[in-house]
This record gives sequence, C-alpha cells and structure tokens, in this order.
Amino acid sequence: DTAVSQTPKYLVTQMGNDKSIKCEQNLGHDTMYWYKQDSKKFLKIMFSYNNKELIINETVPNRFSPKSPDKAHLNLHINSLELGDSAVYFCASSQAGTGPYEQYFGPGTRLTVT
Amino acid sequence: GDSVTQMEGPVTLSEEAFLTINCTYTATGYPSLFWYVQYPGEGLQLLLKATKADDKGSNKGFEATYRKETTSFHLEKGSVQVSDSAVYFCALTPNTGNQFYFGTGTSLTVIP
Repeated sequence: DTAVSQTPKYLVTQMGNDKSIKCEQNLGHDTMYWYKQDSKKFLKIMFSYNNKELIINETVPNRFSPKSPDKAHLNLHINSLELGDSAVYFCASSQAGTGPYEQYFGPGTRLTVT
Repeated sequence: GDSVTQMEGPVTLSEEAFLTINCTYTATGYPSLFWYVQYPGEGLQLLLKATKADDKGSNKGFEATYRKETTSFHLEKGSVQVSDSAVYFCALTPNTGNQFYFGTGTSLTVIP
C-alpha cells in the first residue's frame, strides 16, 4: 500500500507547455505539501494545504497553481513551463493540529523542461 | 525566523567508519527535530526524531540527541555500511503549526 503516491514519475516537456502533477495520500492526513528539490538536493517548500484550504504559499511564480479537490489529493499545475522549472517535485502529507507530526513524502516527479 | 544549518557534503567514508553529520538550529520556543534520509531515486523518509531537550532519537544504528544548550542535533552512526549511502536532511518543526524547515542536505557515500 503506497502511502503517498505521485504521477507521473518522470515528465519531459518543452518550454511553454502546461503540465500537471498529481498527488494522492491514503493516510487520512489533513495537511498536504508540495516541495521543489533542485539539482543540489536543496528542498524548498512551495505550498501547503490543510483540509483543502491553502495555508502556506511561499514565493512561487503565479505559473504554479495547486488544486486540492479533496483532502486526499493535492495536484500541481504549471503553466508556461520554463527551463528553470526542471527539478524533482515532492508531495508530502502530515496530520494537522498540535504536533509534532512527521511528514510522509511521495517518490517524487522528475520534471525536465527542454 | 526558524532555520536549520547542517554540514555541507559530500561526505565519503569507508565501510565500518564512524559517521557524524552536524546539524544546528535556530528557533523560538521548543521545536521538534528530525533526521530524514533520501536514498537514490526515492523520496525522503523519516530516520529518527526527538521532541524535547535531551531526547535521543535512534533507528537503524543511527542516533541523534537534542541538545538545547548547543542548539544541535548531530547525527551519528558507529559503523556505516554501503547501504547507508544517501542524502541526509536535518529538519525542525515548531510545535505550533505544520511548517517544516529543512537543512540543505548532506550527501554520504560509503565505499567498500
């Protein structure tokens, strides 16, 4: 049973295209996250949703738009892809409320923009 | 604001060597501290955690002790194996809210 799953695992596309990455968790968690990991393994938080409500929105270009249809899913849509968007994107989830609660990560989606 | 600083890598060790990866933090209040491990091609997974001062987290032969006086949470293992080759991330979360602060990661390679 995969706790946090992401699709696709690899995504190769051209500049200017629009693409989506999907994330699902079956842990019953209320909070979900998107992270971007660059080539040097640096991990940067992008967004966090709690029960479908946006609670963290770091400085991310408007071309990135998260969507949470229900608390088990958090998708990431990217418009007008740029070369600098190439990275590995990780979805994560955790329980909400007074923690501390660990985060559970998906396997990642490697996005390559050519 | 809250932050985590960990030693830069890469670190290369021979099998059975002793490992230390330094991690220090800055936080208001009393955060919880974590070490995550990322094996090649995979997502991050929790290695160990400590939720209050003087707590020791341990797992798979790895240990880290929450030192409030030195604001540190150094990761140690007495005898590393080739299978420990991975990137290690120190992280903290304040005990209010769900924000996580990750260090920059330390790449470890263990050679036979």
